[in-house]
Amino acid sequence: EDQVTQSPEALRLQEGESSSLNCSYTVSGLRGLFWYRQDPGKGPEFLFTLYSAGEEKEKERLKATLTKKESFLHITAPKPEDSATYLCAVQAPLGGTSYGKLTFGQGTILTVHP
Amino acid sequence: EPEVTQTPSHQVTQMGQEVILRCVPISNHLYFYWYRQILGQKVEFLVSFYNNEISEKSEIFDDQFSVERPDGSNFTLKIRSTKLEDSAMYFCASGPWGYTFGSGTRLTVV
Repeated sequence: EDQVTQSPEALRLQEGESSSLNCSYTVSGLRGLFWYRQDPGKGPEFLFTLYSAGEEKEKERLKATLTKKESFLHITAPKPEDSATYLCAVQAPLGGTSYGKLTFGQGTILTVHP
Repeated sequence: EPEVTQTPSHQVTQMGQEVILRCVPISNHLYFYWYRQILGQKVEFLVSFYNNEISEKSEIFDDQFSVERPDGSNFTLKIRSTKLEDSAMYFCASGPWGYTFGSGTRLTVV
């Protein structure tokens, strides 16, 4: 069974204080690792997909990286509007008995204070 | 940018009643999914739907649940006899590329 663990559970930062969120995973087969942002009462908003170890992707103040066992979401000089829950999920391969379902971690609640 | 649309945004129902949650996935996507998130818990997979049939389902997706794509665009989740523990946010998603989620339906069973 695929497992995803995110740490820390909650992170409080001052505006401009860079940090990283961790996502550790155990999977039988990985098609992709997804990062989402979720605001309260809303659906997950897609940020990145990473497919292979060593891959990196960037979007504004966010950069996601992937190794064989974990992924990091680096936040550079965060602003209060970056406050949200950040979700990591692994996607099973398509085909056979699997049709690409996502297994989520519990999320990291990020609060950025001005 | 293409969106996944879900209706209603909030539904309150009496225990034992049937509810239908509706979704309009992104038109050129081929895979469709339902997930749920109980307050304060992880997002959990319920079911995937491909080629007009269920392709995979979780242990949660028991006989009280069913899915349909009645008209080639809408995608519905029916809960036949709701229980208090079915109270959650229900998300529709389509993919697999980019894997876009809808904004969810908050189901409250009283």
